Amino acid sequence: GENVGLHLPTLSVQEGDNSIINCAYSNSASDYFIWYKQESGKGPQFIIDIRSNMDKRQGQRVTVLLNKTVKHLSLQIAATQPGDSAVYFCAEISYNQGGKLIFGQGTELSVKP
Amino acid sequence: GAVVSQHPSWVICKSGTSVKIECRSLDFQATTMFWYRQFPKQSLMLMATSNEGSKATYEQGVEKDKFLINHASLTLSTLTVTSAHPEDSSFYICSGSTSGTDTQYFGPGTRLTVL
Repeated sequence: GENVGLHLPTLSVQEGDNSIINCAYSNSASDYFIWYKQESGKGPQFIIDIRSNMDKRQGQRVTVLLNKTVKHLSLQIAATQPGDSAVYFCAEISYNQGGKLIFGQGTELSVKP
Repeated sequence: GAVVSQHPSWVICKSGTSVKIECRSLDFQATTMFWYRQFPKQSLMLMATSNEGSKATYEQGVEKDKFLINHASLTLSTLTVTSAHPEDSSFYICSGSTSGTDTQYFGPGTRLTVL
């Protein structure tokens, strides 16, 4: 289903610390998951993705973990920088539901210098 | 590569007028384009999906006669908000994808304010 929040959860971290952003997705049959970063007034920017047959994927400074048992997705950002401040959305695609990209609620990450 | 542009980036209009927003894929052929709407502090909501040369498929609750979508070429889709009202004020974002892929490339968004 679609998750639309009336407000965004926020996460505040100190520069240099690691950040963990969590997402509970809705469809146990979803096949593909993506994390997006959205800066104020801009469109979403792809960060990292993961297929449902994987439980972990690493990129540069980012790691995505997928736990299908509890329908949970997380994004870990290592050594968080002020430039990482943005809203982060998880999104899922279910091929048996037309392959539409369904966005999660979003989390606002604020990095303190 | 895979750049999507939108024009205008922001627009202010009077209630009752129509506004057209353009979405262009600059360096790839977007066989499918998507239009999303995002209200402040909320997530992106899919409005419609359009395949080049075909009629758009609208999500439940989105009025097709109010939000006219045209996808006449592989590089251009337009969204026209007809008879706009203040409640249509929002951030409209398009994306494009190529045939056989999941990846959507997002535009920078268009901020619509209806007075």
